[in-house]
Amino acid sequence: DAKTTQPNSMESNEEEPVHLPCNHSTISGTDYIHWYRQLPSQGPEYVIHGLTSNVNNRMASLAIAEDRKSSTLILHRATLRDAAVYYCILRDFNAGNMLTFGGGTRLMVKP
Amino acid sequence: DSGVTQTPKHLITATGQRVTLRCSPRSGDLSVYWYQQSLDQGLQFLIQYYNGEERAKGNILERFSAQQFPDLHSELNLSSLELGDSALYFCASSASGTRGDEQFFGPGTRLTVL
Repeated sequence: DAKTTQPNSMESNEEEPVHLPCNHSTISGTDYIHWYRQLPSQGPEYVIHGLTSNVNNRMASLAIAEDRKSSTLILHRATLRDAAVYYCILRDFNAGNMLTFGGGTRLMVKP
Repeated sequence: DSGVTQTPKHLITATGQRVTLRCSPRSGDLSVYWYQQSLDQGLQFLIQYYNGEERAKGNILERFSAQQFPDLHSELNLSSLELGDSALYFCASSASGTRGDEQFFGPGTRLTVL
């Protein structure tokens, strides 16, 4: 899987939107952009994924740059429960189904 | 609750010993993955099984082995344990072994090697 770059940590206030950036300048045409998060003392959980178009689900939105070299995970109203490590992962469906985790971004949410 | 169960929750053992970690995937999922999370290496993929067959291998040591049984549960065997094997071991499952479908992670087994 291609490499991604994320800030080590970010801070947000409760009930405010959070924009988590991810750079993936070497993304290939067959790479999907996936986001997983890991809450404290839990296993990772799926958040969202996309290929080219922006995506929305009940947890978050994913905004993908037109050149696909970066993306942003948007949490519309951060809650204390959203404090977690967020991982941006590129997955090539043709290259196996495993997840290759980087360092992720530790999101801290202040009340 | 992801639907993936792992046992035991905690395991404490000594160097040189052998342990077995167990994973039951979500009902209907055919693929099982094992990951290791340590402080210095982060989350690393170890191995994937699909419907009983090994599908992909990652950074799995030769001292480690896994299998998936006909009822689709999986076991990860760690032998000749070293201090550096202390880590959280996660199992995940997905419906298929391809197409990048969502993986559901279990709560993990924390292994401490003394």
